[in-house]
Amino acid sequence: GENVEQHPSTLSVQEGDSAVIKCTYSDSASNYFPWYKQELGKGPQLIIDIRSNVGEKKDQRIAVTLNKTAKHFSLHITETQPEDSAVYFCAASGYSGGGADGLTFGKGTHLIIQP
Amino acid sequence: DSGVTQTPKHLITATGQRVTLRCSPRSGDLSVYWYQQSLDQGLQFLIQYYNGEERAKGNILERFSAQQFPDLHSELNLSSLELGDSALYFCASSASPGDSTDTQYFGPGTRLTVL
Repeated sequence: GENVEQHPSTLSVQEGDSAVIKCTYSDSASNYFPWYKQELGKGPQLIIDIRSNVGEKKDQRIAVTLNKTAKHFSLHITETQPEDSAVYFCAASGYSGGGADGLTFGKGTHLIIQP
Repeated sequence: DSGVTQTPKHLITATGQRVTLRCSPRSGDLSVYWYQQSLDQGLQFLIQYYNGEERAKGNILERFSAQQFPDLHSELNLSSLELGDSALYFCASSASPGDSTDTQYFGPGTRLTVL
């Protein structure tokens, strides 16, 4: 099955600086890569996703890049703000054995924005 | 607010007992997914239902079962509970018939504590 590795596990940046979180996946059949933000006591919230037919997607201060050859994708947050502090999860999804699968998640990155 | 609702918010029970967790998907969504989040295993996919039928299975124990009803709400049944079943249980929903690239929206979760 799919395996997703996520780094780093903790990332501390100064407010206003950029943050980058990286993930690798193992199954070349995976074709959908969402990123979720989880705040304490809440469920994961989708912040951006990318499908395998594009290499980059941007939404205001957030961007995601995908390299299918190397099987890795990254989340980029620019001009970080205190409200960006949370745990971020990458995930991958793809067909396996003829049926749709649930998402396979990375272990998460605790992003800390220092004032 | 994702539009996915889960009840109860918290559940405390004893080992050996059985509990039922309930999920209502977003209006119009036909697929429901269940996930378990624990400190040691992270976020893990358990099972998916689409329009009342089981669609995909992940790391779901035999002591656990789920179903989706005609009104599309879903229940996750956990029996013969063990201490290690203590975790957050999330439900997610998506619109289409299990397309692996479909966006999944997560509910707020049910925190289960087994004493």
